[in-house]
Amino acid sequence: DAKTTQPPSMDCAEGRAANLPCNHSTISGNEYVYWYRQIHSQGPQYIIHGLKNNETNEMASLIITEDRKSSTLILPHATLRDTAVYYCIVRVADSGGSNYKLTFGKGTLLTVNP
Amino acid sequence: DARVTQTPRHKVTEMGQEVTMRCQPILGHNTVFWYRQTMMQGLELLAYFRNRAPLDDSGMPKDRFSAEMPDATLATLKIQPSEPRDSAVYFCASGKSAGNTEAFFGQGTRLTVV
Repeated sequence: DAKTTQPPSMDCAEGRAANLPCNHSTISGNEYVYWYRQIHSQGPQYIIHGLKNNETNEMASLIITEDRKSSTLILPHATLRDTAVYYCIVRVADSGGSNYKLTFGKGTLLTVNP
Repeated sequence: DARVTQTPRHKVTEMGQEVTMRCQPILGHNTVFWYRQTMMQGLELLAYFRNRAPLDDSGMPKDRFSAEMPDATLATLKIQPSEPRDSAVYFCASGKSAGNTEAFFGQGTRLTVV
């Protein structure tokens, strides 16, 4: 079962920042927060991940609360091509066990409008 | 760019026939995941391999599905016999088990069983 809760859908105006929330209140100390997205008819695409510090890359920023029970993915300037389902996933760092797998929930459908 | 390659991209088959889906992980990646995606169930993990050995295949129906890695460059998912309820998009993903890194997904095989 997925350990995260996300709103089913969100809208954003093109050029604006898109802020996608995720609740993971039962996250363990050794679990990372990962974000993937899936554009229609394509395979999921990695966006970013983090443990407790905020992270930024060329695609997005990830803000994790101090208690690690929630996070926000920020797309600073959303474009029409960012319309996709965004998945927030918690995952252990240890690859030796079966818990290394990525378990996807329903995600958030982000629609970027012109 | 390095990418996960899946073949075939589309497959239509009759109920009862054997179906084999293939995946070429990214060179140097030693973890491989198989997922199935349907509208009703979303993305479901079927199996997870590390260094060609199955670590978790609890999501896979054992009576008709089998997953193998004959070598480090090829992963296969077989369904025998296929049924209409197996119609879905099947994704393969690969990653490195050293460190906490992301998994890269292929474009999927869209299977239709009639």
